Amino acid sequence: GENVEQHPSTLSVQEGDSAVIKCTYSDSASNYFPWYKQELGKRPQLIIDIRSNVGEKKDQRIAVTLNKTAKHFSLHITETQPEDSAVYFCAANRIRVSGSARQLTFGSGTQLTVLP
Amino acid sequence: GAVVSQHPSRVICKSGTSVKIECRSLDFQATTMFWYRQFPKQSLMLMATSNEGSKATYEQGVEKDKFLINHASLTLSTLTVTSAHPEDSSFYICSAGPHRGTFFGQGTRLTVV
Repeated sequence: GENVEQHPSTLSVQEGDSAVIKCTYSDSASNYFPWYKQELGKRPQLIIDIRSNVGEKKDQRIAVTLNKTAKHFSLHITETQPEDSAVYFCAANRIRVSGSARQLTFGSGTQLTVLP
Repeated sequence: GAVVSQHPSRVICKSGTSVKIECRSLDFQATTMFWYRQFPKQSLMLMATSNEGSKATYEQGVEKDKFLINHASLTLSTLTVTSAHPEDSSFYICSAGPHRGTFFGQGTRLTVV
């Protein structure tokens, strides 16, 4: 099955600096890579995703890059703000279930702390 | 994003009792939903895949007789933790989604005393 590794497990940055979180996956058939932000006690929120036919995607201060050959993808947050502090999870699509649902394998998470 | 609603958000139950958690897709139909368990400061671990109109598919190590899943309609899946014990205390969360992405319910914090 799919295995997703994520690092670092914790990351502290100064407000205004950039943060980068990296993930690697094992299944070359994976074709969908979302990133989630989870605040304490709350549900994971989808913040950005990328499909395997795209190398990079950007949404304001957030960007994701994908290297299919190396099987790794990264989340980039620029101009970080204290409200960016949360746990971030990467995920990979292991199989495509019939219909529209996607069964995801998650990384271990990164606790991002943005220091004011 | 799509709306997935989970209820209750918190529940405290006595050891030996059963607890039912509901997961609803509010603005789309979901033939498949997923149930995860999350321990403090850990990642989400897939427990089972809930399939509308058929049996759920459980991940290795998850007891199907302990975690009963019913997906009776295209908008509702339920997870029942039977004969709960303190070690079942955890954060349970469901997910579902249209093709544009996977979205999570609010999660249920289960505490077994």
